[in-house]
Amino acid sequence: EADIYQTPRYLVIGTGKKITLECSQTMGHDKMYWYQQDPGMELHLIHYSYGVNSTEKGDLSSESTVSRIRTEHFPLTLESARPSHTSQYLCASSEYKYRGPNTFGSGTRLTVV
Amino acid sequence: SQQGEEDPQALSIQEGENATMNCSYKTSINNLQWYRQNSGRGLVHLILIRSNEREKHSGRLRVTLDTSKKSSSLLITASRAADTASYFCATDLVYSGGGADGLTFGKGTHLIIQP
Repeated sequence: EADIYQTPRYLVIGTGKKITLECSQTMGHDKMYWYQQDPGMELHLIHYSYGVNSTEKGDLSSESTVSRIRTEHFPLTLESARPSHTSQYLCASSEYKYRGPNTFGSGTRLTVV
Repeated sequence: SQQGEEDPQALSIQEGENATMNCSYKTSINNLQWYRQNSGRGLVHLILIRSNEREKHSGRLRVTLDTSKKSSSLLITASRAADTASYFCATDLVYSGGGADGLTFGKGTHLIIQP
């Protein structure tokens, strides 16, 4: 079983609200990722981190921000949610030696109304 | 354009039959990985094949890699209803063109196993 946890599992929120999606892993992995996935579509990398105090933007531009203050924690924040942010957000981690297998959380399905 | 393209987009077979999915990519890779995603859930890593390998097995899964054709296939033998899921290939590119340092995922093949 994966030791990476995302909360909440589902979130329905109004436009303009600030939200934080939580992601924690207990594997001691240095590298962590956030992907965005629309239903039936591919995953797009929106943020990643090599370790504490490291954050990088992914291939898909996103209005969200991330932080990495602790190795195990990689939260994603949207300052002002919009309907266009409606999607599934998947957090993952991997050992930072090479682009090896990603271990995924169960995802947060976000709906902005 | 998409680096990894799975084919077919959807596949429906009877339980007990074999399922084959294909993945094509465009540029050189270090490795290629296959993942499974059950509806609305996260992805589960199935198997990784390195660029210098041609075939790998894991239980009922068999993965092949042809770097000359830039393609890979995933074979699931003796399928079960529980194999119903979406299957994605992901590539670790040798050169990402200055892009993000992560895997590149395809759009996936949706597999349905009819009982």
